[in-house]
Amino acid sequence: QVQLVQSGAEVKKPGASVKVSCRASGYTFTSHDFNWVRQATGQGLEWMGWMSPHSGDTGYAQKFQGRVTMTRDTSINTAYMELSSLRSDDTAVYFCARNLPLTGDFDSWGQGTLVTVSS
Amino acid sequence: QAVLTQPSSLSASPGASASLTCTLRIGINVGSYWIYWFQQKPGSPPRYLLKYKSDSEKKQGSGVPSRFSGSKDASANVGILFISGLQSEDEADYFCMMWHSSAWEFGGGTKLTVL
Repeated sequence: QVQLVQSGAEVKKPGASVKVSCRASGYTFTSHDFNWVRQATGQGLEWMGWMSPHSGDTGYAQKFQGRVTMTRDTSINTAYMELSSLRSDDTAVYFCARNLPLTGDFDSWGQGTLVTVSS
Repeated sequence: QAVLTQPSSLSASPGASASLTCTLRIGINVGSYWIYWFQQKPGSPPRYLLKYKSDSEKKQGSGVPSRFSGSKDASANVGILFISGLQSEDEADYFCMMWHSSAWEFGGGTKLTVL
């Protein structure tokens, strides 16, 4: 079955960077795009961007342009999201989700990774 | 103004039906867009429910009961998630989503209470 397994919780200081991984299994890694979505405690969902594991193409939400980088390693079926210049309001659970290209069918999600930014 | 607006909460009784609305910002015509719906329970990632564009263009998520369906009210410029035969397990947060200006936009979510 399709599974997306994310890396564990992180605690970072303001100004630092964090890199979250999302390992895929149960399907052909390059057949679906990856999206990253975050959720602060008690808040709604916020889309950060997408990446094609087939081509490496990316698209980022305007809010995160210049601070986020999405990459992949096809040899180990893993997608990554790196967020830099962390601030306290970046504290959130970060989810990866796969979708068929050009659709919003986010049909499988990772379990989420809590990133805490605190001095 | 947000692209998608949802009421923050809704309550309904077991066995009843509920209509969760997702209002598009003025100037964005609901008829032109796919509207996606997700369910999220505490401590879990969102679950994809369905997408709806028209009665001839719609898709149910894998394993999602037919009690969940999508529609639109063009006169009010809203997308609707309709849940019939409410069960206690339907108590959750529900989010709508659409693609607009090269970005996926989420509504703020509706907390559905079944009591």
